[in-house]
Amino acid sequence: EIVMTQSPATLSVSPGERATLSCRASQSVSSNLAWYQQKPGQAPRLLIYGASTRATGIPARFSGSGSGTEFTLTISSLQSEDFAVYYCQQFNNWPYTFGQGTKLEIK
Amino acid sequence: QVTLRESGPALVKPTQTLTLTCTFSGFSLSTSGMCVSWIRQPPGKALEWLARIDWDDDKYYSTSLKTRLTISKDTSKNQVVLTMTNMDPVDTATYYCARIFISYGVNSGFDYWGQGTLVTVSS
Repeated sequence: EIVMTQSPATLSVSPGERATLSCRASQSVSSNLAWYQQKPGQAPRLLIYGASTRATGIPARFSGSGSGTEFTLTISSLQSEDFAVYYCQQFNNWPYTFGQGTKLEIK
Repeated sequence: QVTLRESGPALVKPTQTLTLTCTFSGFSLSTSGMCVSWIRQPPGKALEWLARIDWDDDKYYSTSLKTRLTISKDTSKNQVVLTMTNMDPVDTATYYCARIFISYGVNSGFDYWGQGTLVTVSS
């Protein structure tokens, strides 16, 4: 089973600043990686798939990069609604696996 | 528009079997490339993928839960059913169903989710 490791566990950033979240796979997942945003009491929302393709309706301030084992989600200028928990997920190998999440909090 | 909704018991006893239904609209599970998965999330914890069923009835399961899970579909009713046997308090979680669309070999990720249903396992 592929283990997805996200860092940091918690990231404190001020509104308007850039946030960079990392995700590492225990073996290559090619570009078969997605990022999700989850707010309290809500279902996750797809942000990025294929490592770098924004899902429908996702603002351009969200971008994804990487391939193989190292991936990054960048939020270029944080808005108040962006403070949430973010998960990466691989769909290259069975079983699908998620990272443990990064909580993005207001500094 | 695409919607999914989970339904099932809010409370089950240890050793019982859980049956959850995902009722969806806005797409057909008989369309090539369409898939539905179940994902769960214990309170305050991370997401865990459980199972997937495809338009062609292929099925995939979590390695650790494989012996306890069964996923099935009723295309005419636009429903996907997940059963989990021998429930334990550690299975207490919010259970989500979500859609995947695979087009030209590109997996869309879980692009639509239900709102989730909280299942508590307690005697």
